[in-house]
Amino acid sequence: EVQLVESGGGLVQPGGTLRLSCAASGFNFSTYNMNWVRQAPGKGLEWVSFISFSSSSLYYADSVKGRFTISRDNAKNSLYLQMNSLRAEDTAVYYCARGQPWGIGAFDIWGQGTMVTVSS
Amino acid sequence: DIQMTQSPSTLSASVGDRVTITCRASQSISGWLAWYQQKPGKPPKVLIYKASNLESGVPSRFSGSGSGTEFTLTISSLQPDDFATYYCQQYNSFPFTFGPGTKVDIK
Repeated sequence: EVQLVESGGGLVQPGGTLRLSCAASGFNFSTYNMNWVRQAPGKGLEWVSFISFSSSSLYYADSVKGRFTISRDNAKNSLYLQMNSLRAEDTAVYYCARGQPWGIGAFDIWGQGTMVTVSS
Repeated sequence: DIQMTQSPSTLSASVGDRVTITCRASQSISGWLAWYQQKPGKPPKVLIYKASNLESGVPSRFSGSGSGTEFTLTISSLQPDDFATYYCQQYNSFPFTFGPGTKVDIK
């Protein structure tokens, strides 16, 4: 079964750090571009970051640029999001999402999400 | 950045109704548009990619059309399982952007 499972969310104080992980299974992870997307409580979807299959291309939303870092370990079938200098407005469910298997594509597989709460 | 808008923001409809949702981009995105369905507490699910291509396993009552800056998602005959929130997303250029969503609820 093709699957993405996020972990690493939790409660963190403003200014704190958190590292999210996304474990992939059921497909050849090393050949797919990957993304992080977040959704604040009761709000819409916000794309956060993209990483190409080889890690050669990285992109970020302006709202997280300079604070978040996306990375992957193809040997471990894992995607990561290092989040530093967290703010209250970063509170959201964070999803990892797979890009379709050709070029830059729509997001065809999503994880169930992990909740990040930034509060004192 | 490319801004995405959707209309309406909320749509009340009955089972069997034909439903149309519009998505507009602030500049041309060619056909690089996807539609997602999301139910409460669940991740989004892709319905349509590249403006008009039906994702595998998605019922044929869903269809997409458009190019450039204006796109539509049509549900030909609304079913009980279709009550959800629908989002469009452009992936023509970074940063990718989503529309604000259209909630389809029961009339």
